[in-house]
Amino acid sequence: KQEVTQIPAALSVPEGENLVLNCSFTDSAIYNLQWFRQDPGKGLTSLLLIQSSQREQTSGRLNASLDKSSGRSTLYIAASQPGDSATYLCAVAGNTPLVFGKGTRLSVIA
Amino acid sequence: DAGVIQSPRHEVTEMGQEVTLRCKPISGHDYLFWYRQTMMRGLELLIYFNNNVPIDDSGMPEDRFSAKMPNASFSTLKIQPSEPRDSAVYFCASSFTNYGYTFGSGTRLTVV
Repeated sequence: KQEVTQIPAALSVPEGENLVLNCSFTDSAIYNLQWFRQDPGKGLTSLLLIQSSQREQTSGRLNASLDKSSGRSTLYIAASQPGDSATYLCAVAGNTPLVFGKGTRLSVIA
Repeated sequence: DAGVIQSPRHEVTEMGQEVTLRCKPISGHDYLFWYRQTMMRGLELLIYFNNNVPIDDSGMPEDRFSAKMPNASFSTLKIQPSEPRDSAVYFCASSFTNYGYTFGSGTRLTVV
């Protein structure tokens, strides 16, 4: 059974810092990995999707990498801003639907 | 496209009452998923459909939970009778070929 772990559970950084969120999964037989953002009391917004054949994807200040063989992904956020404060969720899809980690709650302090 | 549409946004009901949550997926998507989110357990898959057919309902916690997808543009999740431990946020999501999910805004259910 696929299990997804996100470390750290919470992170607080000053504005302007570059930061890395980590995601690990137990079964490397995945089709794709998706990073989501969730604001308090809101739904999930898809940030980046990496197919199993890809190593990374970039969107603006966000860069996600995937190392399928080691079961790891990272989400890099450059020049963090207070508006980046949210919970970031990692999810993997294999021959089953998306399995989610419990997220990293990010606070960017102005 | 308006995205995945869920209704109601909030539902407060008394224990023992029937609750029905509704979802309209994105047109053209062939997969539909129901997830539940709680602080303790995070996001858990309840059931999913492919081309309106239920594929796996092993995540449905009890027989009190049921889901239907009568056509490609509508699905319901029903809880009967509801209990306080069912309080959670219920999300519906859809995708094309199980690739790249789009989530609705969720229904926050409170059972008192």
